[in-house]
Amino acid sequence: EAQVTQNPRYLITVTGKKLTVTCSQNMNHEYMSWYRQDPGLGLRQIYYSMNVEVTDKGDVPEGYKVSRKEKRNFPLILESPSPNQTSLYFCASSLGLAGVVNIQYFGAGTRLSVL
Amino acid sequence: KQEVTQIPAALSVPEGENLVLNCSFTDSAIYNLQWFRQDPGKGLTSLLLIQSSQREQTSGRLNASLDKSSGRSTLYIAASQPGDSATYLCAVSGEVRAGKSTFGDGTTLTVKP
Repeated sequence: EAQVTQNPRYLITVTGKKLTVTCSQNMNHEYMSWYRQDPGLGLRQIYYSMNVEVTDKGDVPEGYKVSRKEKRNFPLILESPSPNQTSLYFCASSLGLAGVVNIQYFGAGTRLSVL
Repeated sequence: KQEVTQIPAALSVPEGENLVLNCSFTDSAIYNLQWFRQDPGKGLTSLLLIQSSQREQTSGRLNASLDKSSGRSTLYIAASQPGDSATYLCAVSGEVRAGKSTFGDGTTLTVKP
């Protein structure tokens, strides 16, 4: 089954404790992206990757890191989480041929609370 | 900076009605526009994708149109059903940085039996 898998689904942590949210897709997609969704602010793009070792900033990259060492994985790293990073996070992927984003497939989401 | 606006923010209709959701964007230099559906507590599901060179796309009871020059798109839902109740979001992907996607805040639709 074609899918985008995020782990964990729910995470409660404390300020400053490094964490990684994993994202994996099994569709051989070139494009992957991270978003956060907050009430009143909608869905905002954090980082995206057009292919292995190619990443770029979205609208709200501050406080986040990403890496794309393998095509199927695109982890989101919070080196020193702060309470304002409490949010619902989504990973998405798309075929991305020729550098074009087409239909995006989304994971189920990771609800993060930073205390 | 691209901005995407969706009107109305919420809509409640009786079952069977036809309805239109609106999406507008400020920068017409887009590559494509997508409409998504999001159920409470769930991820997003792509409904329709319109390339910038296209005027509309249809899937079942859904029809999406795009007027790139005026920065507008509409999602038409025919013969609405209670199962259509969800939040509908539109997103545009930019031409220059095709990986950049900007989403609207969504329209929350309630279809009453």
